Amino acid sequence: GAVVSQHPSRVICKSGTSVKIECRSLDFQATTMFWYRQFPKKSLMLMATSNEGSKATYEQGVEKDKFLINHASLTLSTLTVTSAHPEDSSFYICSAKKHLAGPTDTQYFGPGTRLTVL
Amino acid sequence: KQEVTQIPAALSVPEGENLVLNCSFTDSAIYNLQWFRQDPGKGLTSLLLIQSSQREQTSGRLNASLDKSSGRSTLYIAASQPGDSATYLCAVDSSGGYQKVTFGTGTKLQVIP
Repeated sequence: GAVVSQHPSRVICKSGTSVKIECRSLDFQATTMFWYRQFPKKSLMLMATSNEGSKATYEQGVEKDKFLINHASLTLSTLTVTSAHPEDSSFYICSAKKHLAGPTDTQYFGPGTRLTVL
Repeated sequence: KQEVTQIPAALSVPEGENLVLNCSFTDSAIYNLQWFRQDPGKGLTSLLLIQSSQREQTSGRLNASLDKSSGRSTLYIAASQPGDSATYLCAVDSSGGYQKVTFGTGTKLQVIP
């Protein structure tokens, strides 16, 4: 199989603090990982594409200084929500593509992290 | 840019009924289409993946079809059970100008015992 894990699964934090979410590919190497956000009663929206060893590519409208992405190894990408505010409360999901995957290869999704900012 | 629409937004059926969920997309240049299930407050569970060259995929009581030329996919659930209650999302991996995964807004299914 191809398993992607996320940690933590749930986090509650105070406004103004920073929160780091980890996305790991457990049984494969992932050159490319993706971060999505799900607003209440809305669909998942791509936030950024994370490539190992290089800077992430952010989608239009996503603040790169707000949502810091680091993809330091072929099995780990992290999303840090800096100076979190209640409007950042959301469900964040990552996905990963296998190393050397072709364009038709699927993305494998993590279970998601629910962030609540008080 | 790819747009993915799911109809209906919500569906309530009695247990045992067969049902069809619909997904339509605007750009037929796709690598694959995937159906997911999302339980309240939980993450995504992948149900079926259909490559662009395939017409359908089956897993247990689930059958997903793909008509790329018309930009449509359906998820058929046979003999529905209360445990099938969840939100079902389709996701399209585009191969055209917008090479990213686009999710539909989902269909919230409730199966009544």
